[in-house]
Amino acid sequence: GIQVEQSPPDLILQEGANSTLRCNFSDSVNNLQWFHQNPWGQLINLFYIPSGTKQNGRLSATTVATERYSLLYISSSQTTDSGVYFCAVERSRSNDYKLSFGAGTTVTVRA
Amino acid sequence: GAGVSQSPSNKVTEKGKDVELRCDPISGHTALYWYRQSLGQGLEFLIYFQGNSAPDKSGLPSDRFSAERTGGSVSTLTIQRTQQEDSAVYLCASRLRTVEKLFFGSGTQLSVL
Repeated sequence: GIQVEQSPPDLILQEGANSTLRCNFSDSVNNLQWFHQNPWGQLINLFYIPSGTKQNGRLSATTVATERYSLLYISSSQTTDSGVYFCAVERSRSNDYKLSFGAGTTVTVRA
Repeated sequence: GAGVSQSPSNKVTEKGKDVELRCDPISGHTALYWYRQSLGQGLEFLIYFQGNSAPDKSGLPSDRFSAERTGGSVSTLTIQRTQQEDSAVYLCASRLRTVEKLFFGSGTQLSVL
């Protein structure tokens, strides 16, 4: 199956700092999504971004599908940004609609 | 409903017992997924339902695991003869169509003693 690698595995930030999370994948995809899992375990969909760039408040994401990677940017981080960020992809093949998840990046934002 | 609803939120069972986990997807969503997340780990795909098509069961770890989706809406994940290694959070997700945003429920924390 498709391989999804996220880096770094862990990230510690001081409140107000900026950061970049990366997601590499091993095959062509027609669907890429970023999720935030908060400390209570709830998974929130941040972006649906198979290609291009999107912004949502202090978060933005860019996917370069031809080079098989996506980046998630966190600007002016806040303690509420803490949690695990997952990248999930879906291969560009018919009848294969599984989203495969990376292992995640654990972000800790300190006040 | 407004979001994906899962029940129970917590389930403690004894080794060897059967358990049923329930998922109510967002109304109108045709695709429904089950994932499993062990402590501190990523998400492991279990099974996928899309409309009236045959489900993709390729992620089920053993024949003790089964799932059904009745009437294209509610889904039940059944684990027979539970083992301690089945302890995990079981997450359900739904989306309107294929290649769309996926929305997750809050999960069922299963503990097998």
